[in-house]
Amino acid sequence: AQKITQTQPGMFVQEKEAVTLDCTYDTSDPSYGLFWYKQPSSGEMIFLIYQGSYDQQNATEGRYSLNFQKARKSANLVISASQLGDSAMYFCAMREAKRGGADGLTFGKGTHLIIQP
Amino acid sequence: GAVVSQHPSRVICKSGTSVKIECRSLDFQATTMFWYRQFPKQSLMLMATSNEGSKATYEQGVEKDKFLINHASLTLSTLTVTSAHPEDSSFYICSARKPGEYNEQFFGPGTRLTVL
Repeated sequence: AQKITQTQPGMFVQEKEAVTLDCTYDTSDPSYGLFWYKQPSSGEMIFLIYQGSYDQQNATEGRYSLNFQKARKSANLVISASQLGDSAMYFCAMREAKRGGADGLTFGKGTHLIIQP
Repeated sequence: GAVVSQHPSRVICKSGTSVKIECRSLDFQATTMFWYRQFPKQSLMLMATSNEGSKATYEQGVEKDKFLINHASLTLSTLTVTSAHPEDSSFYICSARKPGEYNEQFFGPGTRLTVL
């Protein structure tokens, strides 16, 4: 089973509109972390936002907010007032506590977001 | 800040040769670094976890003899692709975590490997 599912391979959004990128996850660990990264065409991975499984409030970072619905195992990214520079691939990722302490990230397949003027 | 660099950014090699990729944390000490591989238009896949002073932990399906990882210091991890073949052509990205901090991994800019 997929650990991270991003159901939107691609999205077109008008500039200045808000956009929601979907992410659902699957884990049996009570302690985990959820991340969103942006990857422009240059390839670098840009950290956007983090949500811990025990965090009571939804994370926010500037124009980015994470709609965390724990019971539904959902961690959607919301970008308000989209800009042309937001066009990129967006990856949802999860960190689980593994045996031995290894905590590399498991990534979803990504959503290619294109902002149109 | 937390800056992670990779060298080289791009490498082309002949089939059968070995290629070394360096990952450095420039302004912090990283006891743990991670190596990922990304094929074109696909997601990142964790290959291994690199721990300073100990053997790397490889993910299932990743050949440890083919992808040699050395984490000799708190700021440097290296990935050597041995006897590279065209199917090893990929984008290799490292990340590093600050000790005691689990809320963010800082990624390097990646290395694009092309094996002819």
